[in-house]
Amino acid sequence: GENVEQHPSTLSVQEGDSAVIKCTYSDSASNYFPWYKQELGKRPQLIIDIRSNVGEKKDQRIAVTLNKTAKHFSLHITETQPEDSAVYFCAASKDSSYKLIFGSGTRLLVRP
Amino acid sequence: KAGVTQTPRYLIKTRGQQVTLSCSPISGHRSVSWYQQTPGQGLQFLFEYFSETQRNKGNFPGRFSGRQFSNSRSEMNVSTLELGDSALYLCASSLGLAGGDYEQYFGPGTRLTVT
Repeated sequence: GENVEQHPSTLSVQEGDSAVIKCTYSDSASNYFPWYKQELGKRPQLIIDIRSNVGEKKDQRIAVTLNKTAKHFSLHITETQPEDSAVYFCAASKDSSYKLIFGSGTRLLVRP
Repeated sequence: KAGVTQTPRYLIKTRGQQVTLSCSPISGHRSVSWYQQTPGQGLQFLFEYFSETQRNKGNFPGRFSGRQFSNSRSEMNVSTLELGDSALYLCASSLGLAGGDYEQYFGPGTRLTVT
């Protein structure tokens, strides 16, 4: 069935370091991969997304890479700041559906 | 543009009761999806509505149902509540067009507690 695995479950980095979160999806028909940031008590916020016809997308300190052959995609955050501390979720869906299959989340802690 | 709104924000119910949650999407968005978020199961898809029709359904029992109105506002209903239904219920709004923009924007959620 459809499944998205996300690693690591927790990640602690020093301010200024980079953070990488990885996800693997099972449905080869998936072609849309968003990343959401959820701060404590807040709603998930879309921070970046990528479609399967693109291998990499960057937005300031955030980038996402996609390897369709291996069916995995990653979130890269450079020059991390304490306000980056949150839970990050990856997700996958396909053209025929707006159903998002979410990973289990990564709790990122950026130490000042 | 105003964001996605959900009402009520908090709800406490007793086992066996039923509950109705409401979601108003971003103006112009025609698709509303519902998700359940729990510490144990994470974010799980419930169903998606577009132009008053359910397009997709997740793996939840029939006690969970929904509908969408002509103004794109959506409601979800849970009947015969169980303790395990305690969760944050999130709705997400999107344009809903096939082959188009798939971005989904979440509302603040309704925190449901079943006692």
